[in-house]
Amino acid sequence: EIVLTQSPATLSLSPGERATLSCRASQSVSSYLAWYQQKPGQAPRLLIYDASNRATGIPARFSGSGSGTDFTLTISSLEPEDFAVYYCQQRSPFTFGPGTKVDIK
Amino acid sequence: QITLKESGPTLVKPTQTLTLTCTFSGFSLSTSGVGVGWIRQPPGKALEWLALIYWDDDKRYSPSLKSRLTITKDTSKNQVVLTMTNMDPVDTATYYCAHSSAGIGWGFDYWGQGTLVTVSS
Repeated sequence: EIVLTQSPATLSLSPGERATLSCRASQSVSSYLAWYQQKPGQAPRLLIYDASNRATGIPARFSGSGSGTDFTLTISSLEPEDFAVYYCQQRSPFTFGPGTKVDIK
Repeated sequence: QITLKESGPTLVKPTQTLTLTCTFSGFSLSTSGVGVGWIRQPPGKALEWLALIYWDDDKRYSPSLKSRLTITKDTSKNQVVLTMTNMDPVDTATYYCAHSSAGIGWGFDYWGQGTLVTVSS
């Protein structure tokens, strides 16, 4: 079974700063990786699918990259509404990573 | 627009079987390339994928929970049902259903609001 690890567990940044989140798979998942954002009390929101494709309505400041075992979610300039927990997910099977919390420094 | 809503008991006793229903609108589960999945989240913890059913009735289950899970669909009612046997307090979580499709790499793009299920005697 493929295991996803995310780093760092917590990322403390200020609005306007760049956020770089990492997701690593225990074996290759090709480009079959998605990223989600979750805020307290809300369902997750799909941000990125197939490693680098933004979902409908997702702002351009969110971008994804990577293939194989190493993936990155980048938020180019943090907005106040971006402070949340971010999860990666692969699809063979559909397991999630443990999450990275982006909080306000 | 696509909407999904979970329903079922909020409290179950240990060893009981949980049955959750996802009622959706705005799409058909008979359309090629469409699926509905179930995901849960224990309080304060990470997301855990449970199961997914495809438009062609193919099914996928979490390997660690496969023996306890059954997912079915009723296309005429626009519903997907998840059953989980032998419930334990560690199964206390918010349970979500979500829409998926081949067009988004089988990600989950529309989610229900979630339903909190507590397992306690």
